[in-house]
Amino acid sequence: NAGVMQNPRHLVRRRGQEARLRCSPMKGHSHVYWYRQLPEEGLKFMVYLQKENIIDESGMPKERFSAEFPKEGPSILRIQQVVRGDSAAYFCASSPSDQGNYGYTFGSGTRLTVV
Amino acid sequence: AQTVTQSQPEMSVQEAETVTLSCTYDTSESDYYLFWYKQPPSRQMILVIRQEAYKQQNATENRFSVNFQKAAKSFSLKISDSQLGDAAMYFCAYRSLYNQGGKLIFGQGTELSVKP
Repeated sequence: NAGVMQNPRHLVRRRGQEARLRCSPMKGHSHVYWYRQLPEEGLKFMVYLQKENIIDESGMPKERFSAEFPKEGPSILRIQQVVRGDSAAYFCASSPSDQGNYGYTFGSGTRLTVV
Repeated sequence: AQTVTQSQPEMSVQEAETVTLSCTYDTSESDYYLFWYKQPPSRQMILVIRQEAYKQQNATENRFSVNFQKAAKSFSLKISDSQLGDAAMYFCAYRSLYNQGGKLIFGQGTELSVKP
């Protein structure tokens, strides 16, 4: 049973380009969460999605960032017109439910570097 | 809003010894979950231990145990018989029962080194 799969593992983008980060949740998990980890900091919540729905995007920057979790395929975190401040590790986590004491299962993250 | 604070940026322990990592949190809620995660250099976030606030008994997972003091809003992690593989960043996290979806709120982390 594969865990949460994120790709790419490393992504380098020039300023102004678009970054697309992919997350395939664990089998049977329909809840996906995206977190961002800036250097020397803890993880910060960005967005929570269920299939075809954004449930909580309170942690998403207002501009340039978007997320989706289509009926088929992985969840996508999209960053348009990247800037140096977007350089961070982006983690995806999945859960079978939004209830209970689940601590989620995390992927290994995508390290985005903006040059 | 809830906050989680880890006041020890770095800790060090001798192999086979015991170390305690501190975590405090602030909340007005009475029911919630608390977690400790380990992040080794591979960056993978690994769940170490979890605690339900309504349970008075401290959670234990093999060499890992917590000291949960609800009134003091403290949730420390004790690692017994430390091993070289325990070296990592450790994050304390809070999860509300009331917010839809229950996002995790993380502390800043404590970097643990283990000396042979």
